[in-house]
Amino acid sequence: QLQLQESGPGLEKPSETLSLTCTVSDDSISSSSYHWAWIRQPPGKGLEWIGNVYYNGGTYYTPSLKSRVTVSVDTSKNQFSLKLRSVTAADTALYYCARHAGAKLDYWGRGILVTVSS
Amino acid sequence: QSALTQPASVSGSPGQSITISCTGTSSDVGGFNYVSWYQQYPGKAPKLMIYDVSNRPSGVSNRFSGSKSGNTASLTISGLQAEDEADYSCMSYRSSSTPHYVFGTGTKVTVL
Repeated sequence: QLQLQESGPGLEKPSETLSLTCTVSDDSISSSSYHWAWIRQPPGKGLEWIGNVYYNGGTYYTPSLKSRVTVSVDTSKNQFSLKLRSVTAADTALYYCARHAGAKLDYWGRGILVTVSS
Repeated sequence: QSALTQPASVSGSPGQSITISCTGTSSDVGGFNYVSWYQQYPGKAPKLMIYDVSNRPSGVSNRFSGSKSGNTASLTISGLQAEDEADYSCMSYRSSSTPHYVFGTGTKVTVL
């Protein structure tokens, strides 16, 4: 059973850069069959797809966040990462990492709450 | 970039069938067979229930089914059970200058 685990700081100050890492339990991160995605959910609100990365570093981002987001992959560590720059309180959310198998998200991490506050 | 539109809430009695709609445009739901549905309990990660409009992953009950007509996709839960009470969200591929995915607004299912 594939497992994904998010890690990173739970608190960021406004205008700083949010940085999260997702560790994948096997080397499928190097497979050409999958993309690897970040999704977030503000408290009490719906899910928002942020972006994904392919094993070769190719990325797609949601247009509303594209100017502030970078998703990258490190296949040697079975990890992929999210950086979100210039954060505000509106970026406070539960952040999930997940595996994109085609157009579906079939495995998810448990999520990590990131609060933006001074 | 607007989310797909879902009803905020749907309810039904045990044993009944309910349907949740997910309305988009020809650039997303209507243009591709790439709609998936997720079930989420409070404090838990979402779980894939339906993919590519109408396919069920292994282990998901056959009481869950998906369909699409035009720009609207639907998730139907038949033989409603207490354990089906959860939030449900659709997701679709969206073509644009920057291809990406978009979620629906989410629907709370209540079993009466």
